[in-house]
Amino acid sequence: KAGVTQTPRYLIKTRGQQVTLSCSPISGHRSVSWYQQTPGQGLQFLFEYFSETQRNKGNFPGRFSGRQFSNSRSEMNVSTLELGDSALYLCASSRYGGDQETQYFGPGTRLLVL
Amino acid sequence: GEDVEQSLFLSVREGDSSVINCTYTDSSSTYLYWYKQEPGAGLQLLTYIFSNMDMKQDQRLTVLLNKKDKHLSLRIADTQTGDSAIYFCAEKRANDYKLSFGAGTTVTVRA
Repeated sequence: KAGVTQTPRYLIKTRGQQVTLSCSPISGHRSVSWYQQTPGQGLQFLFEYFSETQRNKGNFPGRFSGRQFSNSRSEMNVSTLELGDSALYLCASSRYGGDQETQYFGPGTRLLVL
Repeated sequence: GEDVEQSLFLSVREGDSSVINCTYTDSSSTYLYWYKQEPGAGLQLLTYIFSNMDMKQDQRLTVLLNKKDKHLSLRIADTQTGDSAIYFCAEKRANDYKLSFGAGTTVTVRA
């Protein structure tokens, strides 16, 4: 079974631009979560989607948004990029996102904002 | 600050055992996880333990959970150079869809 895939793997943008990252979960998984990893803040939860609905959101500004499609693939968008948005963005999937489930992570998209 | 705390660095000699410690704060946590991250890579699930268990062993890995003290540890037996990585402890709380991570412990294996 294929793992979680994320595209692109690397991205360079400039301040003020916007970016869209994509995540394809493991087949059969309907819950997709996004995390931001930076050296200063560590791993922080962005949001979680299930059946095209956002169920939980972390403490990030409105510039960070996401969506999920009917095939469970998810995208996250960051508008008006700032230097501090440079990070590794990780996507994780599980079947339902329930209490007794394990989340499996993709390789991440490394975003550099110049 | 983080709700999950870990020591930041651990240096161990090849062939010795490594023990990585973690404390968490939420007694409602249902599952506790250990993830491994190698340079430039994403997170690899190593093992996990359900909160009603005390211990779990999986080949070279042993997880110990002290629920009273909210303390979790990961022991790696016969540590190899390929075990050099950052290890993250994470908790999943009841009725919460997210994982809360510690800052990660950088393990360096020296010959």
